[in-house]
Amino acid sequence: DTAVSQTPKYLVTQMGNDKSIKCEQNLGHDTMYWYKQDSKKFLKIMFSYNNKELIINETVPNRFSPKSPDKAHLNLHINSLELGDSAVYFCASSPRSGGGGELFFGEGSRLTVL
Amino acid sequence: AQSVTQLGSHVSVSEGALVLLRCNYSSSVPPYLFWYVQYPNQGLQLLLKYTTGATLVKGINGFEAEFKKSETSFHLTKPSAHMSDAAEYFCAVSGVTGGGNKLTFGTGTQLKVEL
Repeated sequence: DTAVSQTPKYLVTQMGNDKSIKCEQNLGHDTMYWYKQDSKKFLKIMFSYNNKELIINETVPNRFSPKSPDKAHLNLHINSLELGDSAVYFCASSPRSGGGGELFFGEGSRLTVL
Repeated sequence: AQSVTQLGSHVSVSEGALVLLRCNYSSSVPPYLFWYVQYPNQGLQLLLKYTTGATLVKGINGFEAEFKKSETSFHLTKPSAHMSDAAEYFCAVSGVTGGGNKLTFGTGTQLKVEL
């Protein structure tokens, strides 16, 4: 009974393709996130949604588009994939949007762009 | 802006030895601080967190960390390392930006435990 689940776990695709990663949380949290972990293990926030509303949008190319159909789901769609998009993408959720709330992470989706 | 700096990207200890992973933070407001652990091919798991109150925080798996405002530090320790502690450890600071809770992570420290 996974709290934050992401699919797919692995994704291998060609440059120029479009792909999506899905995330669902069953913790009843209001806030969800996408983080990117690069090959050096550095973690950087991309987006955050609170109850379906976008509240954090870091400097991310327009090719990345998050969508939150409801507060339990946050999907990430990537257009025109580039080699530099290869990374592990983590979805996370938090019980609140204010400071101090811990994040609960999914197991990650490893994207490889060839 | 808030940030954390983790000193030492790789730390190696013998099994049974003290583990000390260093983290210093920068924040213009009282920080919320976290330590997460990441095992290979897995997500991040919370070890412990400091929000307010007691400055010595105990976490899971025998880890603890002490918030020292005067030193702007939040170092992670464990008295006796176990082989199963080998993993990547991340320090993080929480800040509110544009109405959202944003965890900013350090660059990570890989802990190796040797027999």
